[in-house]
Amino acid sequence: DADVTQTPRNRITKTGKRIMLECSQTKGHDRMYWYRQDPGLGLRLIYYSFDVKDINKGEISDGYSVSRQAQAKFSLSLESAIPNQTALYFCATSDPAITDTQYFGPGTRLTVL
Amino acid sequence: GDSVTQMEGPVTLSEEAFLTINCTYTATGYPSLFWYVQYPGEGLQLLLKATKADDKGSNKGFEATYRKETTSFHLEKGSVQVSDSAVYFCALSENTGGFKTIFGAGTRLFVKA
Repeated sequence: DADVTQTPRNRITKTGKRIMLECSQTKGHDRMYWYRQDPGLGLRLIYYSFDVKDINKGEISDGYSVSRQAQAKFSLSLESAIPNQTALYFCATSDPAITDTQYFGPGTRLTVL
Repeated sequence: GDSVTQMEGPVTLSEEAFLTINCTYTATGYPSLFWYVQYPGEGLQLLLKATKADDKGSNKGFEATYRKETTSFHLEKGSVQVSDSAVYFCALSENTGGFKTIFGAGTRLFVKA
């Protein structure tokens, strides 16, 4: 079984809808991240959480919110989706004890019409 | 702030050709350096890493050496295979009150049989 899972894997929605992307991990890591991938821009950090009570904004947090429900679960919400949020979204975990190597989920492809 | 610059792609090679993907970085301290690989339809996965100057990371025939004097971490492979076709990301991670990873834009590699 995969260590980091994301649901859904694909989602098509309409402008103005609320969307939640979910991430679960079995690696036992405290640190979790949400990234957005756009062609030619690499990965950009949306939010990150170093433990259940710690939530931090990344470089592109506007229009997004997160919830850390447990050590293993970290959800990303788009309160009112817009077309320029069409992208590939990745959840990741890390363990600073091993130089913060990131472990990624398979991604969610989101299309906002 | 910290940044990573890697060569633009796509890079197209024939099987058994030599591969170099250039990566340079700027950082205020002493970061760890990484190469991640993303195969089609998958999330990123760690390919190799180096944690201090002059370290060489290696995996699956790929190598990269941490060069502090030139702030570089170029990826090399002596003989590429069709199965190496993927997107390669250079990244750095620095402990500035909590590790955060900065990714380059990615370089797509196509290997022809």
